[in-house]
Amino acid sequence: KAGVTQTPRYLIKTRGQQVTLSCSPISGHRSVSWYQQTPGQGLQFLFEYFSETQRNKGNFPGRFSGRQFSNSRSEMNVSTLELGDSALYLCASSFEGGPSTDTQYFGPGTRLTVL
Amino acid sequence: QKEVEQDPGPLSVPEGAIVSLNCTYSNSAFQYFMWYRQYSRKGPELLMYTYSSGNKEDGRFTAQVDKSSKYISLFIRDSQPSDSATYLCAMSLRDDKIIFGKGTRLHILP
Repeated sequence: KAGVTQTPRYLIKTRGQQVTLSCSPISGHRSVSWYQQTPGQGLQFLFEYFSETQRNKGNFPGRFSGRQFSNSRSEMNVSTLELGDSALYLCASSFEGGPSTDTQYFGPGTRLTVL
Repeated sequence: QKEVEQDPGPLSVPEGAIVSLNCTYSNSAFQYFMWYRQYSRKGPELLMYTYSSGNKEDGRFTAQVDKSSKYISLFIRDSQPSDSATYLCAMSLRDDKIIFGKGTRLHILP
């Protein structure tokens, strides 16, 4: 079974630009979560989507947004990029979401560098 | 006080040694406790998952949860160079977001 895929793997942008990252979950998985990973803050939860609806949200500004399509694929958008947005962005999928029911499978991440 | 505290290391131990990795947390309501392993340039992968208190063993790995002390541990027996990675503890309430520690970098020396 194919794993979680994320595109692109690497991205370089400049301050003020916007960026869209894509995540394709494991076939049959309906929950997709997004995380930001930095050396200083570690792995931080951004949001979770389940059946095209945002089900949980972390403490990030409104510049960070996401959506999920009917085929469970998800995109994450960051507008008005700041230097501090440089990070590894990870996507994780699970069948129904929530640690009480499911294992999350992580993709390899997209490395975003903001200059 | 951060919700989850984890020593970043690095922790270097000789091959074959027992490794002990730990996390403390502040939210006594956490019910689900996890350990993830992350190799360089890869996403985290779930190693161990425990509900509430107690021990769980899987091969060379043992996870312990002490809710009274708000302390969780991961033990690795007969450590191998392939165990060299960053280990992240994580925890959550039911059906809520997962809170991760910052991770401990582990080096197993051949």
